Amino acid sequence: SQTIHQWPATLVQPVGSPLSLECTVEGTSNPNLYWYRQAAGRGLQLLFYSVGIGQISSEVPQNLSASRPQDRQFILSSKKLLLSDSGFYLCAWGTGGHYGYTFGSGTRLTVV
Amino acid sequence: GENVEQHPSTLSVQEGDSAVIKCTYSDSASNYFPWYKQELGKRPQLIIDIRSNVGEKKDQRIAVTLNKTAKHFSLHITETQPEDSAVYFCAASKGTYKYIFGTGTRLKVLA
Repeated sequence: SQTIHQWPATLVQPVGSPLSLECTVEGTSNPNLYWYRQAAGRGLQLLFYSVGIGQISSEVPQNLSASRPQDRQFILSSKKLLLSDSGFYLCAWGTGGHYGYTFGSGTRLTVV
Repeated sequence: GENVEQHPSTLSVQEGDSAVIKCTYSDSASNYFPWYKQELGKRPQLIIDIRSNVGEKKDQRIAVTLNKTAKHFSLHITETQPEDSAVYFCAASKGTYKYIFGTGTRLKVLA
């Protein structure tokens, strides 16, 4: 069966520090991968998605970036965090079509 | 551009009553409509979905209806229980990579 792993679960980082969040998927090949951010009490904002190794589409301009160095690995990064980067970050995978996404357990990021 | 509106933003019901959450989508090419439930501090989880060739789908106490002409779809929860309390998100997709999510409905079931 397919599983998705996301870490760390919580993170407190100072303003201006770098960020690296990692997501891996097991049990499937060539998944579509997604990074979402959810601000406190808000909806799901799509940040990046990838349909293959090295293929990244950005949905919103920001100081975050994403990379997909391997088929089942998706990384969210920042060189310098802002206070506004705080939120709940969710990785997700899907196969496209009519099968739904599966979300990871999320990373709660607090920038202080 | 593509947009999904979701109403209401908050909903309180008495235990045992029904709850209805409505979503409207803008892109008539959308053909897949999943619903996600997110409990406090947890990940969203798929609870039910419907494809555009179906008007209604049921799974125990949960049902989803779709009106393609009006471009809206709804989630119906009957005999609500305290564990139904959560945030519910609708989404619309054209069967491609991206889902457009609604802004969420916080459902509170009062005991």
